[in-house]
Amino acid sequence: GQQVMQIPQYQHVQEGEDFTTYCNSSTTLSNIQWYKQRPGGHPVFLIQLVKSGEVKKQKRLTFQFGEAKKNSSLHITATQTTDVGTYFCAGRQGTSYDKVIFGPGTSLSVIP
Amino acid sequence: NAGVTQTPKFQVLKTGQSMTLQCAQDMNHEYMSWYRQDPGMGLRLIHYSVGAGITDQGEVPNGYNVSRSTTEDFPLRLLSAAPSQTSVYFCATRGKTGELFFGEGSRLTVL
Repeated sequence: GQQVMQIPQYQHVQEGEDFTTYCNSSTTLSNIQWYKQRPGGHPVFLIQLVKSGEVKKQKRLTFQFGEAKKNSSLHITATQTTDVGTYFCAGRQGTSYDKVIFGPGTSLSVIP
Repeated sequence: NAGVTQTPKFQVLKTGQSMTLQCAQDMNHEYMSWYRQDPGMGLRLIHYSVGAGITDQGEVPNGYNVSRSTTEDFPLRLLSAAPSQTSVYFCATRGKTGELFFGEGSRLTVL
């Protein structure tokens, strides 16, 4: 079945440094979603990318969908302590619209 | 609006016991799903439902049963709990543009 991988698993950055997490799928994705989970919390939807090569920005966060629709990235510029948490990418399995498969996540720590 | 409500928040079971995790939503979403979250493994889909009376298996369905008799409720049943089912369970609904809305989670420990 489809696998969604993320690297790195953990990232520790100094406040103000940039951060990037990468998401790779073994199969072509119809779309990709990103979620953030604060420690002790539940995943919260950030964004959805649909088109090949699509780039979307939310303030300091930049999301990109690869040309082949098999990979994606999330880049945070000038991290802040409020960015702490685990970031998950998620894609739909095969042709099924209803099976959303999550990557293992990247845990971000920000050192003040 | 409460959104997605899960009960209980915490539960301790002994091996072999049964229990039901409840999930209720007031957003009138047709799609509901259950995920389990384990360290280093992200969220894994257990079962999902695209509407009342319709359920299907996800990635890790073994040991879990579901039913969907109403739009609002999607309970997850463990018939005979095992230590491998110790996890945090999340219920999620799906909005019109495909985004998932998660409940606050239920932390289950099986001894």
